[in-house]
Amino acid sequence: AQSVTQLGSHVSVSEGALVLLRCNYSSSVPPYLFWYVQYPNQGLQLLLKYTTGATLVKGINGFEAEFKKSETSFHLTKPSAHMSDAAEYFCAVIPGSSNTGKLIFGQGTTLQVKP
Amino acid sequence: DAGVIQSPRHEVTEMGQEVTLRCKPISGHNSLFWYRQTMMRGLELLIYFNNNVPIDDSGMPEDRFSAKMPNASFSTLKIQPSEPRDSAVYFCASNRGPNSPLHFGNGTRLTVT
Repeated sequence: AQSVTQLGSHVSVSEGALVLLRCNYSSSVPPYLFWYVQYPNQGLQLLLKYTTGATLVKGINGFEAEFKKSETSFHLTKPSAHMSDAAEYFCAVIPGSSNTGKLIFGQGTTLQVKP
Repeated sequence: DAGVIQSPRHEVTEMGQEVTLRCKPISGHNSLFWYRQTMMRGLELLIYFNNNVPIDDSGMPEDRFSAKMPNASFSTLKIQPSEPRDSAVYFCASNRGPNSPLHFGNGTRLTVT
């Protein structure tokens, strides 16, 4: 079965520090990959996506992620954290073998940003 | 673009009552998804529709749950009878089709006492 693993349910960084949120997937065929962010009492918003082409993907709010097929990873990074980045982040995949668009989500990582 | 619209935002009901959650997808999107989010289970896909037709309802937990999509601009998720363990945030999402990003509504927070 396809799965998504986010390492670390909680990550805490200081304001201005590097943000690194880890995501690994299992898929026999390269999938489509997404990162979503959820602020309190809101729905999920798309941060960035990888479908094909360049493996380094830039998203909104200064976030980027790199698809590494050899490592089956799609880690999310941001060079300098802002207080406003505090939220829950979800990695998600549409398996490459899927023709339905059914999105599989990781368990989420809560990012805390300390002043 | 008004986004995906869900109603109500909050619902508090007593065990045994019927609950109906509503969703209006983004115009032009032909796939609609219902998710449930809890602390214990995270985000679970309950059911999704393509062109108003249910494609996969394997995530619907029990027969107490049912979902309909009578037309391209409206869907409902019904729980009858409701139970305390149904308490969660229910999200509706839509997209243009396979492999395109999902757009989420702000959710309905359901509390069953």
